[in-house]
Amino acid sequence: DGGITQSPKYLFRKEGQNVTLSCEQNLNHDAMYWYRQDPGQGLRLIYYSQIVNDFQKGDIAEGYSVSREKKESFPLTVTSAQKNPTAFYLCASSSDLRVNYGYTFGSGTRLTVV
Amino acid sequence: EDKVVQSPLSLVVHEGDTVTLNCSYEVTNFRSLLWYKQEKKAPTFLFMLTSSGIEKKSGRLSSILDKKELFSILNITATQTGDSAVYLCAVGDYGQNFVFGPGTRLSVLP
Repeated sequence: DGGITQSPKYLFRKEGQNVTLSCEQNLNHDAMYWYRQDPGQGLRLIYYSQIVNDFQKGDIAEGYSVSREKKESFPLTVTSAQKNPTAFYLCASSSDLRVNYGYTFGSGTRLTVV
Repeated sequence: EDKVVQSPLSLVVHEGDTVTLNCSYEVTNFRSLLWYKQEKKAPTFLFMLTSSGIEKKSGRLSSILDKKELFSILNITATQTGDSAVYLCAVGDYGQNFVFGPGTRLSVLP
C-alpha cells in the first residue's frame, strides 16, 4: 500500500538537543511538506520541497532545518534554536497531477520537550 | 497575506443533531478549498471544492462553496458519536501550498 510513514510516533527531547523526525513516502509524489499543529491553531507550514535538492521556508521555519536528498524522504530537524518545540508534527505530500486534492498526510510525530 | 477562518472553533451536540461548520477565506489566486476530518492523527480528506454552488455529498456529509462571498460550509446531518473530530478547512492557490484554518472541534454526545 502506498502512503507516508512518519517516525517515531512519540519523541521526547531534552532542552538544548537537536532531534530529527523522519518522513518517507512511496507515492512517487514530487512535493513534500512539514506542518506543525498546536491546539487551536490549525496547521502551520514549516518547510516544503517541490523537487529533490530544493526546499523553501514556510511561515515558521526558524529553529528548524530540512533536507531533500531523495524524492521519497524529507526529514525535519528540530534544533535547539526552536524555543517552543513541543507540538504535533505532520508530514504531507502531494502530486502535481492531483494538486487540487491537497495532501496525503502521515500519522504525525508528537514531540515533547522535557 | 492568505487567511482562513473557521467557526465555530468548538461545538458540542447530541447524536441526531444537524451541524453546520463554516469556513471563510482570503486567498490570492484561489484554486480549491478542501475539507479534512482529523480524529487522532492524520487528517483524512473529505471534499474538494473548486466551483461555486455545486454541492458535494458523501453520505450524511455535504459541502458547498460560494466564491463570491468567499466561504464554504460543511453540513453533517443525523450526527453520530463517530463524527467527533476536528474538521479542518484548507484553501489552495495556484502554487502547491494550502493555508489551513484553525479547525472546528466537534463533539457528539450519545
